[in-house]
Amino acid sequence: DIAMTQSPDSLAVSLGERATINCKSSQSVFDSSNNKNYLAWYQQKPGQPPKLLIYWASTRESGVPDRFSGSGSGTDFTLTISSLQAEDVAVYYCQQYYSPPLYTFGQGTKLEIK
Amino acid sequence: QVQLQESGPGLVKPSETLSLTCTVSGGSISSYSWSWIRQPAGKGLEWVGRILNTGPTHYNPSLKSRVTISVDTSKSQLSLKLSSVTAADTALYYCARARDYAFGPWGQGILVTVSS
Repeated sequence: DIAMTQSPDSLAVSLGERATINCKSSQSVFDSSNNKNYLAWYQQKPGQPPKLLIYWASTRESGVPDRFSGSGSGTDFTLTISSLQAEDVAVYYCQQYYSPPLYTFGQGTKLEIK
Repeated sequence: QVQLQESGPGLVKPSETLSLTCTVSGGSISSYSWSWIRQPAGKGLEWVGRILNTGPTHYNPSLKSRVTISVDTSKSQLSLKLSSVTAADTALYYCARARDYAFGPWGQGILVTVSS
């Protein structure tokens, strides 16, 4: 099984500042046959289901603001919010889909306003 | 735009079978693959299983012997059955479209409590 570990567990950032969340997989989720990283990011606001933000490690889902960006390859990935807005307060999860049919999520990172 | 809505009993007794339904609207259920994902209160996300648009099902090995996922195309519904439940199965259960690369959209979720 591929284990996903996020850091930090929680994060407080001032409005307008950059927020960075890291995700590390226990083995590579890069497929050299198609040059893709099988890594997604989700945002879960209180009382809501998760919402897909990023897939293929760096492709934004339609409608997601461009202040959200994903980067990384292999085993190390980053979700960056370039200028934190109040509505970005949420728990963020990474997830690998390299090894179906067992998909695994990170433990989540809680993002708050400082 | 595809929308999903979970339904079913919110309370299940230990050792009984949890049965949930997810109604899909705004798209053809047979055109997509679907998953169930659960989230214990205050905790992270656990993938339960999926059913492909071509028919095959796959389950989390930790639950495999107890889980059945199926689709009723005439009702545009996805179902989840989890047998021999214990308190550890208490969670918010979500259905979601399973794309090749991620899950989305998701239903609002349904809380299921296992208790006598």
